[in-house]
Amino acid sequence: DTEVTQTPKHLVMGMTNKKSLKCEQHMGHRAMYWYKQKAKKPPELMFVYSYEKLSINESVPSRFSPECPNSSLLNLHLHALQPEDSALYLCASSHRLDRGLPNQPQHFGDGTRLSIL
Amino acid sequence: AQKITQTQPGMFVQEKEAVTLDCTYDTSDPSYGLFWYKQPSSGEMIFLIYQGSYDQQNATEGRYSLNFQKARKSANLVISASQLGDSAMYFCAMREGKTGANSKLTFGKGITLSVRP
Repeated sequence: DTEVTQTPKHLVMGMTNKKSLKCEQHMGHRAMYWYKQKAKKPPELMFVYSYEKLSINESVPSRFSPECPNSSLLNLHLHALQPEDSALYLCASSHRLDRGLPNQPQHFGDGTRLSIL
Repeated sequence: AQKITQTQPGMFVQEKEAVTLDCTYDTSDPSYGLFWYKQPSSGEMIFLIYQGSYDQQNATEGRYSLNFQKARKSANLVISASQLGDSAMYFCAMREGKTGANSKLTFGKGITLSVRP
């Protein structure tokens, strides 16, 4: 069983809907990530939070809005998505990101399979 | 230039045999980490093994071992005694140490492994 929990596992929404993806970890990790993954492709980084502050935004469209309410939770708010946004959305966490310490693996959740109608 | 290269389009192996999945990387940072992840069709990214650039010995984790050849910039994953449950997509990834809190995990394109009974 994964130690990073994502809900829901599947989500179907219309282009005018507003929904949220949730991610929770209790490993004491202080870095959390959102990735988007299309079928048979590697994950693409969207956002990184370090100590609950947004550290990296990979030029993601504003229809995706991340939120990190506390060190255990990470949300991704969705609004007015497009059909091309249909994908697997993966959340991950790792110990803090420190300069010169590249040895922290990211632990991933099972993902949310999102379909936009 | 691609930082992580996985060129094998798909691999087949007979159950109980060993298989090597290739990965080459490119970096000028003396401090970096190399990771292998497994992604079954269910979607979860499972961390398998880590190799640090300063590690003197090749990493091993159960049936997984990493053939790390620093001068050739290769980090091939060796799976011994393949099992049917090893059928999945395998990603090689690298994190460079110099960028600290803005460090990203760079993934290769992935390799599909199919284990035949």
